[in-house]
Amino acid sequence: AQSVTQPDIHITVSEGASLELRCNYSYGATPYLFWYVQSPGQGLQLLLKYFSGDTLVQGIKGFEAEFKRSQSSFNLRKPSVHWSDAAEYFCAVEHGSSNTGKLIFGQGTTLQVKP
Amino acid sequence: ETGVTQTPRHLVMGMTNKKSLKCEQHLGHNAMYWYKQSAKKPLELMFVYNFKEQTENNSVPSRFSPECPNSSHLFLHLHTLQPEDSALYLCASSLERKETQYFGPGTRLLVL
Repeated sequence: AQSVTQPDIHITVSEGASLELRCNYSYGATPYLFWYVQSPGQGLQLLLKYFSGDTLVQGIKGFEAEFKRSQSSFNLRKPSVHWSDAAEYFCAVEHGSSNTGKLIFGQGTTLQVKP
Repeated sequence: ETGVTQTPRHLVMGMTNKKSLKCEQHLGHNAMYWYKQSAKKPLELMFVYNFKEQTENNSVPSRFSPECPNSSHLFLHLHTLQPEDSALYLCASSLERKETQYFGPGTRLLVL
């Protein structure tokens, strides 16, 4: 069965420090990969996505992610974290050719930013 | 993304009540989705609609009844819910099912 694992439930970083949030997926075919962010009391906002092509993907708010097929990973990075980045981050995967719209989400990583 | 709206934002209901959640998208999308977000659990896909037709039902109990009268509106009718149904219910839409999904702010539901 398809699954998405975000190994870190909670991460705390200092403002200005670099950030990496991990995401691993279990899937046999080429997946579509997504990172979403959710602020308290809000819905999910898309940060970036990978469908095909360049494995390093740029997103909004200075985030980027790299697809590594050999490691089944799609880690999210930001070189310098801002206090406004504190939120919950979700990695998601969809079968690349299924056309079902069935997104599988990880359990999320809560990011806390220290001043 | 303000293109997907949900009402109400908060709802408290008893187990014998009947209520409905509404989702509206202003993006011209053709696919719409309901998700359930419970504490400490990953988001769970509940239903998928494509051009008003239901294409996925992820083994959702019959006390949740979706309705999609057109591609812009999606409802979730609730009846005889259980306390464990308390959660954030999120609606999403996409141009086509394989395209990026855009989410609404959700309805926070509490079942007493």
